[in-house]
Amino acid sequence: SQTIHQWPATLVQPVGSPLSLECTVEGTSNPNLYWYRQAAGRGLQLLFYSVGIGQISSEVPQNLSASRPQDRQFILSSKKLLLSDSGFYLCAWSLRREFSFGSGTQLSVL
Amino acid sequence: QQQVKQSPQSLIVQKGGIPIINCAYENTAFDYFPWYQQFPGKGPALLIAIRPDVSEKKEGRFTISFNKSAKQFSLHIMDSQPGDSATYFCAASTFSGGSNYKLTFGKGTLLTVNP
Repeated sequence: SQTIHQWPATLVQPVGSPLSLECTVEGTSNPNLYWYRQAAGRGLQLLFYSVGIGQISSEVPQNLSASRPQDRQFILSSKKLLLSDSGFYLCAWSLRREFSFGSGTQLSVL
Repeated sequence: QQQVKQSPQSLIVQKGGIPIINCAYENTAFDYFPWYQQFPGKGPALLIAIRPDVSEKKEGRFTISFNKSAKQFSLHIMDSQPGDSATYFCAASTFSGGSNYKLTFGKGTLLTVNP
């Protein structure tokens, strides 16, 4: 069966510091991968998606970037965090229409 | 631009009650409508989903009702239990080319079931 791993679970970072969140998927090959951000009371916002190694599509202009160095690895990064980057970040993979989510990273930028 | 509107924002029911959560959409390209359940500090988990050629789907105590002409769908939870207390998200999916599908979420409903 497929599993998705996301870490860390919680992260507190100062404004202006870099960010790297990692997500890996097991039990499938060439998955579609996604990064979502969840703000309180605002649902889930799609940030990036990837259909293959090195292929990244951005949904919203922002301070973040994504990379997919390996088939089952998806990384969310920032060179300098802003206060507005705080939120709950979720990695997901999809098999056709069915999406499965990781357990999320709660990021607090102070 | 919110493509999937979900209501209410929060809902409190007594154990055994039947909470109903409603969603509406405008984009007729949406062709798959899942519901997700999320507990605090966890990622959303797929609960039940429906395609627009079906008016109702039932899985255990959870039922989706779908009205294609009105572009509305709703989640009903029969015999609700305190363990059902969670945030529920409706979503809508479109095919965006190649092997990729996009999932658009409502803003969520925080359900509390009191014992």
